[in-house]
Amino acid sequence: DAGITQSPRHKVTETGTPVTLRCHQTENHRYMYWYRQDPGHGLRLIHYSYGVKDTDKGEVSDGYSVSRSKTEDFLLTLESATSSQTSVYFCAISERVAQTQYFGPGTRLLVL
Amino acid sequence: QQQVKQSPQSLIVQKGGISIINCAYENTAFDYFPWYQQFPGKGPALLIAIRPDVSEKKEGRFTISFNKSAKQFSLHIMDSQPGDSATYFCAASNSGGSNYKLTFGKGTLLTVNP
Repeated sequence: DAGITQSPRHKVTETGTPVTLRCHQTENHRYMYWYRQDPGHGLRLIHYSYGVKDTDKGEVSDGYSVSRSKTEDFLLTLESATSSQTSVYFCAISERVAQTQYFGPGTRLLVL
Repeated sequence: QQQVKQSPQSLIVQKGGISIINCAYENTAFDYFPWYQQFPGKGPALLIAIRPDVSEKKEGRFTISFNKSAKQFSLHIMDSQPGDSATYFCAASNSGGSNYKLTFGKGTLLTVNP
């Protein structure tokens, strides 16, 4: 998985609780991305980062925030989890803009 | 328009057969077209990619065919094997633009029967 780890790998939480997912890379790639994957929707971009402290919204960013204080770490926070945020979350990295992205192993999140 | 349309949603092929997955795009500024393969419980992994300066790229049993005028590209898997059973995603991007995104198709679930 190209030096990408995600934690936790599985999480069950309750509606209304905050949740933070972590993506850690050892490749020193500039660009990092958070996706969610749901049946029938494929991969949808939540947020992405083009450098330390530089982030922007993707197509499904409502209810999510991100932070990147170090090159190697990109955090995704669900401020108040809802059942609609039950999904598999993937982190990806790339060395060059809009080029090959390498994906992490994913985090399976269940919001009850 | 940033959409990439992928078909079919699912595909069943017999071992040894040819699997064909098609994608169409609208944004003529797209200049990078990768295909990803995803096994259950794993993240997507780059399979093969093409740029519009060539009409075909082959890597082993996997071939991308690209038709710039029709704004279509396709993945052909020759001599399909049960181990090829996975979900395949096409994607596209504009490497020269300010948009950092890969735009993904919705995926094709390929099942290769033994």
